[in-house]
Amino acid sequence: SQKIEQNSEALNIQEGKTATLTCNYTNYSPAYLQWYRQDPGRGPVFLLLIRENEKEKRKERLKVTFDTTLKQSLFHITASQPADSATYLCALPAGNNRKLIWGLGTSLAVNP
Amino acid sequence: EPEVTQTPSHQVTQMGQEVILRCVPISNHLYFYWYRQILGQKVEFLVSFYNNEISEKSEIFDDQFSVERPDGSNFTLKIRSTKLEDSAMYFCASSKVGTDRTEAFFGQGTRLTVV
Repeated sequence: SQKIEQNSEALNIQEGKTATLTCNYTNYSPAYLQWYRQDPGRGPVFLLLIRENEKEKRKERLKVTFDTTLKQSLFHITASQPADSATYLCALPAGNNRKLIWGLGTSLAVNP
Repeated sequence: EPEVTQTPSHQVTQMGQEVILRCVPISNHLYFYWYRQILGQKVEFLVSFYNNEISEKSEIFDDQFSVERPDGSNFTLKIRSTKLEDSAMYFCASSKVGTDRTEAFFGQGTRLTVV
């Protein structure tokens, strides 16, 4: 069955550094991949969508890559700030494209 | 900025009772979803709804669950006879088109506690 894995360990970095989060998937060839941010007790908030024919996508301090050969997406936050502290979720469309399946998320803490 | 709103934010109910979770999706969106997240676990898909009918549902969405769009704005999830294991955050989401092509907008969730 389709499976999504994200770094299970929490990531602690210093303010100003680049955070890199990983999303790996198996038994699956999605045409798109999405990244969301989730704060405690809140709903996911969409950040970026990348298509299989796009190697890289950027939005302000965020960058996402999508390697369909490695079945992996990397999510980067440059010049990180304490306000970036949250859980970051990777999600892929599945089934008849009417749903998203989710990774467990990686918790990021940016220390001042 | 348009947003998805959910009520109530918290609901505590006795096992075996019926609950209705309410959502107002973004007005020009065509696809509606319910997801849930048990504490510390992944977000799980429950059901998607398009053109006034269920387009897909998960194994979790059994006969105890139902959805309705009773008017042009509300989208509800009903659990007929709640079980302890139904305790979770329930998120409503909507999208303009299917989430294979665009993002989903999520509400803030309803925390359901079954006692």
